[in-house]
Amino acid sequence: DTGVSQDPRHKITKRGQNVTFRCDPISEHNRLYWYRQTLGQGPEFLTYFQNEAQLEKSRLLSDRFSAERPKGSFSTLEIQRTEQGDSAMYLCASSLGSVSVLTFGAGSRLTVL
Amino acid sequence: AQSVTQLDSHVSVSEGTPVLLRCNYSSSYSPSLFWYVQHPNKGLQLLLKYTSAATLVKGINGFEAEFKKSETSFHLTKPSAHMSDAAEYFCVVSDTGTASKLTFGTGTRLQVTL
Repeated sequence: DTGVSQDPRHKITKRGQNVTFRCDPISEHNRLYWYRQTLGQGPEFLTYFQNEAQLEKSRLLSDRFSAERPKGSFSTLEIQRTEQGDSAMYLCASSLGSVSVLTFGAGSRLTVL
Repeated sequence: AQSVTQLDSHVSVSEGTPVLLRCNYSSSYSPSLFWYVQHPNKGLQLLLKYTSAATLVKGINGFEAEFKKSETSFHLTKPSAHMSDAAEYFCVVSDTGTASKLTFGTGTRLQVTL
């Protein structure tokens, strides 16, 4: 088990472009979470899945954001028509059940020019 | 609504001296409280967690934290700082049973000098 993997680690894009991030959780973990961390702030909850079902979405997740976990394993987070305010570190985490501790990946850093 | 306040954005200590990182919390329920550490280019790592068992919680790398309900505090301490402790530390709160929705503080950057 290599922990939670995120790809790409860094992405630079121009405003208006679409970007997609991928997260591979720990294999036996049924819950997967996305958080966003902006400079100088703590991570903020975006959304989470239990298996393939998306159970909760934050108000931070605008219509331009979509997350999927089609087979209950890896997940993708897509941002359409990126804006400079989307520049942040996007963190993925996974856990086994609702009360176990979250294990975080190293994150995907997005820079929107 | 749950929240945490980390009282210091930056703490600097000399190697071998004690570390104190302060955190106050607010929660409508019996909270679960955590401390996570973030080293550059690495994922957030759990240091310790409190989930209504013993109020003094021991974590990894010699860190510990004490839950004080009367003061709504969960301060992180370590008797003797090491250079490798230099990192960003986050105090985190979760309402019991909803570990999915962690609320992070703004972080405290710990600097360790020789």
